[in-house]
Amino acid sequence: SQQGEEDPQALSIQEGENATMNCSYKTSINNLQWYRQNSGRGLVHLILIRSNEREKHSGRLRVTLDTSKKSSSLLITASRAADTASYFCATDPSTDSWGKLQFGAGTQVVVTP
Amino acid sequence: DAGVTQSPTHLIKTRGQQVTLRCSPKSGHDTVSWYQQALGQGPQFIFQYYEEEERQRGNFPDRFSGHQFPNYSSELNVNALLLGDSALYLCASSLRESSGGRKYFGPGTRLTVL
Repeated sequence: SQQGEEDPQALSIQEGENATMNCSYKTSINNLQWYRQNSGRGLVHLILIRSNEREKHSGRLRVTLDTSKKSSSLLITASRAADTASYFCATDPSTDSWGKLQFGAGTQVVVTP
Repeated sequence: DAGVTQSPTHLIKTRGQQVTLRCSPKSGHDTVSWYQQALGQGPQFIFQYYEEEERQRGNFPDRFSGHQFPNYSSELNVNALLLGDSALYLCASSLRESSGGRKYFGPGTRLTVL
């Protein structure tokens, strides 16, 4: 079963626009991570936010975390065609010391030139 | 510095057969995890190996088994294949001491069961 739920399931935007996707999860976490996947290939790590952090930035990425609502959001600013991919949130449950990740179903993002 | 590698890239099997997938972790990593990703879904955790032992297991039947070798590489074996085993199988590596950190994923093995 999936730990998280991403919203929306799919997103279509034009280059230069911002893309925002949300993730909700069910259990307490050590951290939450976002990954990108191009065309059914391997996952690429984008950013990790710890449970005691509220916001984190990395280049054009901004992640927020609200542990009281068990939710996170990923904002991609000034999107490019190369940002076309599926984006997954993954949680590292606090009950786990081995770092097993629990993924959501993902948001499919299409950026048109 | 080599990243995570997996072989083969694609594999086609028939129902009832057995399959072995292979993974070499990123240089310096000692922990390997396996995930199954069905089409249109997020990855599902299968199991994790550290020091040649299975440390954690997800909700997968005993038909799924694995092994880790002294050089930290790993194999995933699936017996008595079912149509529903068709998926992308992803290997991820990490360091035990930073187990709560990011995972490095390989490109995956696409398994098709006919």
